[in-house]
Amino acid sequence: NAGVTQTPKFQVLKTGQSMTLQCAQDMNHEYMSWYRQDPGMGLRLIHYSVGAGITDQGEVPNGYNVSRSTTEDFPLRLLSAAPSQTSVYFCASSPEYPGTGAYEQYFGPGTRLTVT
Amino acid sequence: GESVGLHLPTLSVQEGDNSIINCAYSNSASDYFIWYKQESGKGPQFIIDIRSNMDKRQGQRVTVLLNKTVKHLSLQIAATQPGDSAVYFCAENSGGYQKVTFGTGTKLQVIP
Repeated sequence: NAGVTQTPKFQVLKTGQSMTLQCAQDMNHEYMSWYRQDPGMGLRLIHYSVGAGITDQGEVPNGYNVSRSTTEDFPLRLLSAAPSQTSVYFCASSPEYPGTGAYEQYFGPGTRLTVT
Repeated sequence: GESVGLHLPTLSVQEGDNSIINCAYSNSASDYFIWYKQESGKGPQFIIDIRSNMDKRQGQRVTVLLNKTVKHLSLQIAATQPGDSAVYFCAENSGGYQKVTFGTGTKLQVIP
């Protein structure tokens, strides 16, 4: 199994450009999520999905869109990039819902995005 | 990645010594806790978890201690090795995706 894969690894955008960060998992996990990681801060949830066709917002959803047309893929779209979106983005998947029970999230290797 | 590791508290330990990494959590309603390891340029990796009805859990070379009275979590790594060099952070969960809070992390440097 490749686990969780993300492309691209690095990306530089100009302010106002749009792009899609790709995320795929081959573990047949129902639950997937996107996080951003900024210096001095913990991971922050952008969007998540509890199954194909079902998505919801996290803590910092503004400026980002997601869709989940298949179990495997969960792309993150930046609509109009801003310097504040410079960050490292991680996609994660889990076989269980992060509720009050035990669960394990598998993270991808990340995409480092710079917006100039 | 490296930029995430900047400005983090750093713990330097000699190879072979034990390491203790601490985490203060914020929500007294949190009932599930996880420790992650993040190597430079990689995604976080699950190490060990603990539920709030326990105060200690052991894994392979790692032990997590939970003190709910003072809302404190610690990760102990026995016989620390160079491969343990990474950023370690905790996460607390009080129920659901939107109720998971991740800590900022501690950088562990192992001196050979």
